Amino acid sequence: DAGVTQSPTHLIKTRGQQVTLRCSPISGHKSVSWYQQVLGQGPQFIFQYYEKEERGRGNFPDRFSARQFPNYSSELNVNALLLGDSALYLCASSLGGTGNTIYFGEGSWLTVV
Amino acid sequence: DQQVKQNSPSLSVQEGRISILNCDYTNSMFDYFLWYKKYPAEGPTFLISISSIKDKNEDGRFTVFLNKSAKHLSLHIVPSQPGDSAVYFCAASDPFNNNDMRFGAGTRLTVKP
Repeated sequence: DAGVTQSPTHLIKTRGQQVTLRCSPISGHKSVSWYQQVLGQGPQFIFQYYEKEERGRGNFPDRFSARQFPNYSSELNVNALLLGDSALYLCASSLGGTGNTIYFGEGSWLTVV
Repeated sequence: DQQVKQNSPSLSVQEGRISILNCDYTNSMFDYFLWYKKYPAEGPTFLISISSIKDKNEDGRFTVFLNKSAKHLSLHIVPSQPGDSAVYFCAASDPFNNNDMRFGAGTRLTVKP
């Protein structure tokens, strides 16, 4: 069974540019969450979507946005990239609801130069 | 605010011995706790979880203990194997905000042959 898949795996962008990261959840999972992980820290929550609706948002600026499609895949968009946006972006999926385990993809490594 | 803390950035143990990784939390609303393992260049892999209605959960060589009064959980790995060498993250969520799973900063475990 396919796990959570993310694309691209690595990318380099210039300050001020925009980036779109993509995620396909585990089959049957309706919830997708996005996390940012910088070196030396644990994953930081950015967004959660469930049944195509935003259910939660972390402490990130409005430059970060996301959406979920009818097939439950998701995109994370970051506008006006800053050097500090360089990080590993993780997508996770779950069945949704309370007490459910989230399963991560391999992540997308973003470097902003 | 760091609601989940892993105060030991690293731990080194001998193969065959017990590894004990610790995690403290501050939010008394947390009711679901998880441990993830992360190898370099990979996404976090779910290891084991525990609900707040339990104080112990076991899965093979891995056991998680939860002490709610102390707001402390620990992961025991017995016996430790070199392949267990990775970064371990603890995470917690609360039923009123389960969209926002909080992670500790991680503990790097090295198991020496």
